[in-house]
Amino acid sequence: DAMVIQNPRYQVTQFGKPVTLSCSQTLNHNVMYWYQQKSSQAPKLLFHYYDKDFNNEADTPDNFQSRRPNTSFCFLDIRSPGLGDAAMYLCATSTGGTPLGYTFGSGTRLTVV
Amino acid sequence: DAKTTQPTSMDCAEGRAANLPCNHSTISGNEYVYWYRQIHSQGPQYIIHGLKNNETNEMASLIITEDRKSSTLILPHATLRDTAVYYCIDYTGNQFYFGTGTSLTVIP
Repeated sequence: DAMVIQNPRYQVTQFGKPVTLSCSQTLNHNVMYWYQQKSSQAPKLLFHYYDKDFNNEADTPDNFQSRRPNTSFCFLDIRSPGLGDAAMYLCATSTGGTPLGYTFGSGTRLTVV
Repeated sequence: DAKTTQPTSMDCAEGRAANLPCNHSTISGNEYVYWYRQIHSQGPQYIIHGLKNNETNEMASLIITEDRKSSTLILPHATLRDTAVYYCIDYTGNQFYFGTGTSLTVIP
């Protein structure tokens, strides 16, 4: 089935040690998004790629970066994770226009120790 | 940023209809209303969306008021597996900004 796949499902990293989360899609969607969801909060948009064009949300910390080497893959890099970066990270895709909406992956839960 | 408001939590008896309201009073003419739900520790799941007319699919019904300032998601026969956080999203066609959502608990 066409889908959005996030690996790993759970990731533990050390304080200050760079970590990369990955997302792949078989939907051939133009747009890929990364959301951060902290415990008991709604998902918060970090940034998105429309094809190769990167769009950062104004309040996304510089510590968070992203790469999209091709249509299928998108990576979230956290350069120096702090304890406050522990969260579920969700990847989503869309075709870039209404009304098809988004397809979400299952998320990667990041723990910082 | 999110432009919708929803009650923080609701309960519903199993087998009964669950009616989840959403206010989107600043919605403009070309903005859709989307509903997603998130079961604990999973990614959000699409439920239904609409622009002006009421919509129904195999999961739910969506009732949009004539002035489009509010809508109601209806789960006709709630089951225990419908326990989740339900998000109403006012979508302009580029980014989804999530509001706080409604935590629905279906009670046996």
